[in-house]
Amino acid sequence: TQLLEQSPQFLSIQEGENLTVYCNSSSVFSSLQWYRQEPGEGPVLLVTVVTGGEVKKLKRLTFQFGDARKDSSLHITAAQPGDTGLYLCAGASDNNDMRFGAGTRLTVKP
Amino acid sequence: DAGVTQSPTHLIKTRGQHVTLRCSPISGHKSVSWYQQVLGQGPQFIFQYYEKEERGRGNFPDRFSARQFPNYSSELNVNALLLGDSALYLCASSSLGPPSSPLHFGNGTRLTVT
Repeated sequence: TQLLEQSPQFLSIQEGENLTVYCNSSSVFSSLQWYRQEPGEGPVLLVTVVTGGEVKKLKRLTFQFGDARKDSSLHITAAQPGDTGLYLCAGASDNNDMRFGAGTRLTVKP
Repeated sequence: DAGVTQSPTHLIKTRGQHVTLRCSPISGHKSVSWYQQVLGQGPQFIFQYYEKEERGRGNFPDRFSARQFPNYSSELNVNALLLGDSALYLCASSSLGPPSSPLHFGNGTRLTVT
């Protein structure tokens, strides 16, 4: 079973601060995806990382895929209240369905 | 274009009953995946269908079943409901199926079992 562990589980910060959340596994993934989920809604895809060592930027969000393709991180610069949500990472299983971590619940206070 | 639509949005059932949840994928998407999300957790994979064939099944009991229709819509059925089945049930569609193409989620059906 390929498990994805996310940390921290909860994070509460002030507007303007920077933060990093992590997604770790003992398994190698062909790709990892990051989603954000807001209350009452389904997860929305933010990015897919495929190559070991890859770094992708999406405005204030920076995603990194580990060299060994076992872990990933999401860094947010100058967080805003609109960044509040549940951040989920997902990796393709041996059967190619997507398996999710438990998520990091981020709260950004104004 | 319409996104993934799920119905109903909320449902309350009693232990032992059965339930049918419905999902309409984005037009042109041939793959549908079902997930269960318990409060405070990430989505847990239940089923994946592609072109009406089951492609994958997660670690759920046989009380859970699903099917995909010729128009690519899908139903998830749960029999003999237990209190622990209370959760948000998410449907996601993708054009070719993961991981080749990304998942697009609906807003889910909130099932409460009393």
